[in-house]
This record gives sequence, C-alpha cells and structure tokens, in this order.
Amino acid sequence: DTAVSQTPKYLVTQMGNDKSIKCEQNLGHDTMYWYKQDSKKFLKIMFSYNNKELIINETVPNRFSPKSPDKAHLNLHINSLELGDSAVYFCASSQGSGTSGRGGTDTQYFGPGTRLTVL
Amino acid sequence: AQSVTQPDIHITVSEGASLELRCNYSYGATPYLFWYVQSPGQGLQLLLKYFSGDTLVQGIKGFEAEFKRSQSSFNLRKPSVHWSDAAEYFCAVGAGAGNTPLVFGKGTRLSVIA
Repeated sequence: DTAVSQTPKYLVTQMGNDKSIKCEQNLGHDTMYWYKQDSKKFLKIMFSYNNKELIINETVPNRFSPKSPDKAHLNLHINSLELGDSAVYFCASSQGSGTSGRGGTDTQYFGPGTRLTVL
Repeated sequence: AQSVTQPDIHITVSEGASLELRCNYSYGATPYLFWYVQSPGQGLQLLLKYFSGDTLVQGIKGFEAEFKRSQSSFNLRKPSVHWSDAAEYFCAVGAGAGNTPLVFGKGTRLSVIA
C-alpha cells in the first residue's frame, strides 16, 4: 500500500487557470507538508498542517491555499496559475507531536510528486 | 535559522568504487540531520538520520554517515557503489524542539558509470 499518495502525477494547464493537487497519507501521521521543488531541484517547504491546523506558511503567495479536511488529507489549491508556478510539488507527512508540526526533528515520508507545467 | 551546504552539485563514480557526499550545516545547537535520496521521477526516501548518540549512523542500502561537530559536517559514505545508486541526494537539517522547518541542501546528483 502506498504510504503517501498524490494525484495527479502530471498536470499541464494554461496560465490563469485554477487547479488542485490532492494528497493522502495512510500512516496515521499527525503532520502533513507541501514542498515545492524548482527546476534546479531546490526543495523548499510551503506549508505544514498539524492535526488540521496550519502551522507553517512560508511566504507563499496567497494564490496558494492548502486545505486539510482531516488529518489524513492535505490538498493544495492554486488560483490564477503563473508560469513561475511550474515545478514539482511534493506532499509529505510525519508523526510529529501535538505541539510540533514544523517538522524540524521528524522523519518525513514523501509522496511521488506532482509535476505542474503552466503554459 | 539553520542552513545546509552541499558543495558538490554533481559527482560521477565508477561502479564498485567508494563514495563520499559532503554536507555542511550551520546551526547553533545540536542539529537533527537527515540524508534523503530521490531517484528519477520519484519522491524522497530517507536513507538515515542523526539525532544524538553514536556519531556514525548506519542507514539503508549500505549507506552510512558520520556527524562531526567540530567540522559541522554530516558526510554520507558508501564503500561500494552500485549502478542503482544513481540519484539525487539531499542533506537536511532540523532544529531541536521542532521550532523551525526542515531545511534541505540543494542536492548532489550522483552518476554511476560502468
């Protein structure tokens, strides 16, 4: 069984469109994350949620809105897509503690990634 | 805030040769250190981690890493590389008590030649 899954794996869309990426983990973890990996492979955290509560929001444009309907899911919605949004987006999860959610000390388990291409 | 430097962008080694990937970190207290591997088109997989205790850490796939506080380093090693080890390797550092997010280095791409 896949521990952290993301859909879709590939997403090609036009500028200005709105799109969503879904993430689910079946590990029973408390904390979930979204990372962006740019064309140079640099991996940077965007958001983290701990038990459905937003913990980290790392200077991401407000066109990006994460939503966590329950602690096993963390979806990423992107409005008004721009060329610079093209990247690979990774979802991850970690066990964390009730007051953590920042992930600095936890082993994180990553999904396979979603390659977003904005034309 | 902590930071990570992986000085080598790309390394090529022959199959069967030994490997060492460098990682230097910057953090005022004891860091939490991780090595992840990303195979082409895949997500990241944890190879090993250091939190405390023995400074030589064993991981999966025959990898090990040594924490050297005096050099602020956490280099990854493997005595004999296999062609399947070709991938991108990321070092990451975290802060104690989970106060800040995990910070990743820019990665080192490993190519393996016959």
